[in-house]
Amino acid sequence: AQSVTQLDSHVSVSEGTPVLLRCNYSSSYSPSLFWYVQHPNKGLQLLLKYTSAATLVKGINGFEAEFKKSETSFHLTKPSAHMSDAAEYFCVLMDSSYKLIFGSGTRLLVRP
Amino acid sequence: KAGVTQTPRYLIKTRGQQVTLSCSPISGHRSVSWYQQTPGQGLQFLFEYFSETQRNKGNFPGRFSGRQFSNSRSEMNVSTLELGDSALYLCASSLVGEETQYFGPGTRLLVL
Repeated sequence: AQSVTQLDSHVSVSEGTPVLLRCNYSSSYSPSLFWYVQHPNKGLQLLLKYTSAATLVKGINGFEAEFKKSETSFHLTKPSAHMSDAAEYFCVLMDSSYKLIFGSGTRLLVRP
Repeated sequence: KAGVTQTPRYLIKTRGQQVTLSCSPISGHRSVSWYQQTPGQGLQFLFEYFSETQRNKGNFPGRFSGRQFSNSRSEMNVSTLELGDSALYLCASSLVGEETQYFGPGTRLLVL
C-alpha cells in the first residue's frame, strides 16, 4: 500500500533563513507527488507537483522539491523564509486509482 | 477563471440531523473529489465523482453519500450526524486525464 510520512509535525525558522520540510513516501511504483499548503481557515493550494519529468521541481513562491527515488524522499525547500510562509504543508501521493493520500502535515512557524 | 466554490462555508447541526454540502468545480472540470479533514485523522478521501458516477470511494460508513449533476456540480450528504463528523469538508476538482486537483475553501461542519 502507498503511504506518505512527514517527518516533522512542526518546523520553526527565522525569517530570511532556509526552510526544509521533509517527506518520505512508500509506493510500489514511481508515484506522482505533490506539496500543498493550507493557510488558516483556508483550503489547500498547490505548491508544486512531481510527475517523473524532472527530479527537481520548482513551484510557486520560491519553493522547490527534489524527488530522490533511492531515498524515497520528496523534501520541500525554500532558500529564504518569509512571514507569509507560515502555514501547514502537506506532502501528498496519488495512488493508482487517482486518490490522494495525504501526509499528516507539517506546521511551519516563521519567527520575525 | 473562478475557482472551486463550496457552500455553505460554515454549518452547525445537532446529532441525528442530516446535512448536505455543495461543491461547484472549476469550469470545464468534470471530476470532483471530497475529503474530510479532522485534527485527529488528518485529511481522508471520501469519494470521487466523474460524469455523474461515483468512480472511487474511501473507507467511510454508508451515512456519507454523494452525487454529481450533469453540470458537474456535486453534493455530499451525511445522515444521522455524529459528534465525530465535525470536520472541515473539502472538495477538489480536476480535468479529465489531469492529476492535479484544485481545492475549494471547504465547509466547516460543527455537530453539537
